[in-house]
Amino acid sequence: DVKVTQSSRYLVKRTGEKVFLECVQDMDHENMFWYRQDPGLGLRLIYFSYDVKMKEKGDIPEGYSVSREKKERFSLILESASTNQTSMYLCASSPSGTGTSFGPGTRLTVT
Amino acid sequence: GENVEQHPSTLSVQEGDSAVIKCTYSDSASNYFPWYKQELGKGPQLIIDIRSNVGEKKDQRIAVTLNKTAKHFSLHITETQPEDSAVYFCAASSAYGGATNKLIFGTGTLLAVQP
Repeated sequence: DVKVTQSSRYLVKRTGEKVFLECVQDMDHENMFWYRQDPGLGLRLIYFSYDVKMKEKGDIPEGYSVSREKKERFSLILESASTNQTSMYLCASSPSGTGTSFGPGTRLTVT
Repeated sequence: GENVEQHPSTLSVQEGDSAVIKCTYSDSASNYFPWYKQELGKGPQLIIDIRSNVGEKKDQRIAVTLNKTAKHFSLHITETQPEDSAVYFCAASSAYGGATNKLIFGTGTLLAVQP
C-alpha cells in the first residue's frame, strides 16, 4: 500500500509565524498535492506538483507556497500564518492519471 | 472551472438499509470519478472509482453509477453497517490517462448508520 506521511498530526502556531508542513510518500509517485479541509467546504486544492521542482497553483494558493526538492517530499509553507489558515491540511500523492492516496492530515491552529 | 455538487450533506439510516449519495459535475471533459471515505481522525481513503467509459461498477456492498449525459454519479451502499458511518466525498477529474490527476471534491456527506 502507498504510504503518505505527514510530519505532524497537530500543530499550534501564532499569527505571523512561518509554518512548514512536511509530506513524504514512499511509492515513487510523480504527483503530489496539498489540500485544505474545512467543514461545509470539502477539500480544496492549494498547490500541486507533477515533478521535482515543478509546482502549479490550485484553487486557493493565496498565503501559501510549496517546495519539492526531492520526488518523495512535498512541503507546504505558510509564510506568515494567519487565523484564517486554521484548518485541516491533507497531503496526497498519485501516479499519473488515477489512484490518489492521502496522508492522515495535520490539524493546524493559528492563534 | 470544474464544480462538483454533493447531496445530501447528512444522511441517517437504520442498520441494514441502503444509503445513496449523489453528485453532479459541471465539466463535460471529466472522465474519472472516485469516492472517498473519511473516518474520524483519518485521511480520506479511496473506496471505489469509475471511469467515463463505464456506466456502473460494484464492489461487494458498494456500487457507483454514472450518467454522463446528465453529468451525475451516485454512490450506493447496501446492507449498511455501523462501521459504514463516516464522511463520504465524491470527486471528479479530467486527467485520467493523462498527466496529473487533479481532483475536484464535493462538500462531503456525513453518513450515520443507526444500530
